[in-house]
Amino acid sequence: KQEVTQIPAALSVPEGENLVLNCSFTDSAIYNLQWFRQDPGKGLTSLLLIQSSQREQTSGRLNASLDKSSGRSTLYIAASQPGDSATYLCAAEGGGTSYGKLTFGQGTILTVHP
Amino acid sequence: EAGVVQSPRYKIIEKKQPVAFWCNPISGHNTLYWYLQNLGQGPELLIRYENEEAVDDSQLPKDRFSAERLKGVDSTLKIQPAELGDSAVYLCASSSGLAGAFEQFFGPGTRLTVL
Repeated sequence: KQEVTQIPAALSVPEGENLVLNCSFTDSAIYNLQWFRQDPGKGLTSLLLIQSSQREQTSGRLNASLDKSSGRSTLYIAASQPGDSATYLCAAEGGGTSYGKLTFGQGTILTVHP
Repeated sequence: EAGVVQSPRYKIIEKKQPVAFWCNPISGHNTLYWYLQNLGQGPELLIRYENEEAVDDSQLPKDRFSAERLKGVDSTLKIQPAELGDSAVYLCASSSGLAGAFEQFFGPGTRLTVL
């Protein structure tokens, strides 16, 4: 059974800092790894999807990397802004018999203060 | 292009009452998912549809939960009877494919409170 863990559970930083969010998964036989953002009371917004054959994906100030062999992914946010404040969730698709199934971590609550 | 639509956004019911949630996926998306999200946790898959077929319902508590996706478009998730522990956010998502390179797009969710 796939298990996904995110560290840290919460993070508070001043505006302008570069930061890294960590995600680990137990079963490396994944199809892809997705990062999502969730604002309070809202649904999830997909940020980046890294296919199993890829090492990283970039979108604007966001960069996500994937190391399948070690079961790890990181989300790097450059020059953080107050508008980046949200919960960030990673999810692994697949792993073992979990074809087509997303397994989520518990999320990292990010607060960027001015 | 419209995103995933869910209704209602909020629902408050007494325990033992029935409740239903509705989801309209992004046009053309064959795969539809229902997730449950408890406070402070990541979503957990309840059921996954490929067109009108439920291809994975192993996590759905079938004694009280049911779902349908008639005609392979809209879907309804029902709970009967609701229990206090069912209070959570119910999220619907859709994708244009089953696995691999296909992103899942989520709706805003329905927040259920059972009193």
